[in-house]
Amino acid sequence: AQTVTQSQPEMSVQEAETVTLSCTYDTSESDYYLFWYKQPPSRQMILVIRQEAYKQQNATENRFSVNFQKAAKSFSLKISDSQLGDAAMYFCAYLPRYNTDKLIFGTGTRLQVFP
Amino acid sequence: NAGVTQTPKFRVLKTGQSMTLLCAQDMNHEYMYWYRQDPGMGLRLIHYSVGEGTTAKGEVPDGYNVSRLKKQNFLLGLESAAPSQTSVYFCASRPTGAINIQYFGAGTRLSVL
Repeated sequence: AQTVTQSQPEMSVQEAETVTLSCTYDTSESDYYLFWYKQPPSRQMILVIRQEAYKQQNATENRFSVNFQKAAKSFSLKISDSQLGDAAMYFCAYLPRYNTDKLIFGTGTRLQVFP
Repeated sequence: NAGVTQTPKFRVLKTGQSMTLLCAQDMNHEYMYWYRQDPGMGLRLIHYSVGEGTTAKGEVPDGYNVSRLKKQNFLLGLESAAPSQTSVYFCASRPTGAINIQYFGAGTRLSVL
């Protein structure tokens, strides 16, 4: 069975600094999607960034970028120039291409941003 | 710009009571999902639907029923609530096609006493 592991329950960063959140996953599939979702105190789950496994190029969305290491099954999220509004729970998620209704989430990392 | 709307936002039930959570989406999405979120755990899939009139079981379906009579609505029912069903419930939807991005509602916090 596929699993997603986020080994950092909590992280903190100073405003304007850079922070990296870790995610590893276990799968025997070669084709899949990976996601990072943000959940602020409002509870709304917001998609931050998405990566397709067949693409070697790391996805980037403004201040958010990923380091996708397929062989190592690692998918970390880097937040540059951190802002107070980045404070939230961040969830890593895996979706197999052969079964696109089974989105599997990690346990989340709570990010605190200090001024 | 409603997206995915869940009602109610909060609810307290007594053990054995029944209730229905409503999820409505205005994006004409074919696929809809119900998840539960518990402390220290990621979201877990309860049931899902791949189109109007269809439903399927997810990872943790026991104690829940669902219906998708209209394309825009996906209902989650608890026939006899138990304290173990205290959780935050999320609905999501996604379009067909290769994008495979799910769009989430704001959640319903349910407490069963």
